[in-house]
Amino acid sequence: EADIYQTPRYLVIGTGKKITLECSQTMGHDKMYWYQQDPGMELHLIHYSYGVNSTEKGDLSSESTVSRIRTEHFPLTLESARPSHTSQYLCASRLGNTDTQYFGPGTRLTVL
Amino acid sequence: AQTVTQSQPEMSVQEAETVTLSCTYDTSESDYYLFWYKQPPSRQMILVIRQEAYKQQNATENRFSVNFQKAAKSFSLKISDSQLGDAAMYFCAYNSGGSNYKLTFGKGTLLTVNP
Repeated sequence: EADIYQTPRYLVIGTGKKITLECSQTMGHDKMYWYQQDPGMELHLIHYSYGVNSTEKGDLSSESTVSRIRTEHFPLTLESARPSHTSQYLCASRLGNTDTQYFGPGTRLTVL
Repeated sequence: AQTVTQSQPEMSVQEAETVTLSCTYDTSESDYYLFWYKQPPSRQMILVIRQEAYKQQNATENRFSVNFQKAAKSFSLKISDSQLGDAAMYFCAYNSGGSNYKLTFGKGTLLTVNP
């Protein structure tokens, strides 16, 4: 398995709370990605980064924000969680011009 | 925009038998990559096999092989000698050869392996 980590693995939180999902990788990969996986298991890209201080929105609109201050770290933040944010969030990374993305174990978020 | 279609929401196979999962995609590009990822229940998504579009030879990884038909835009996965550990959700994914390398996923096929 790839050296990419996500914390927490599971999170149950009330509406209106601010949360940050952590993603770190130790492979020195410059490109990182966040995917949202809905209950039907379909995956949608919500954010990506080409490197430090680079962030872009993905194909699916999301109220979350991301930052990339360090190469190995790509946290995702929700300022005010809502039940519609309930989903699994997968982080992935890729090195340079290689084509394969490696995935973290995911964070399963439930907002009550 | 590229799309990836997996027409089989669920499949089942007997242990030791062979199963084929279907995937079609739509693109106007000539240079791209195709992948099959496996996501076991509550476990990490892992890469099963990848195919470069410019290579005519079908990729093979042990018991896993693909049937890549570029003209038909078809990319099926064959699992031979199925094992209980193969049970998982399988995702077909497309990655353009451009610089952004964003993956577009199909909706997945849930594979059950019966003992």
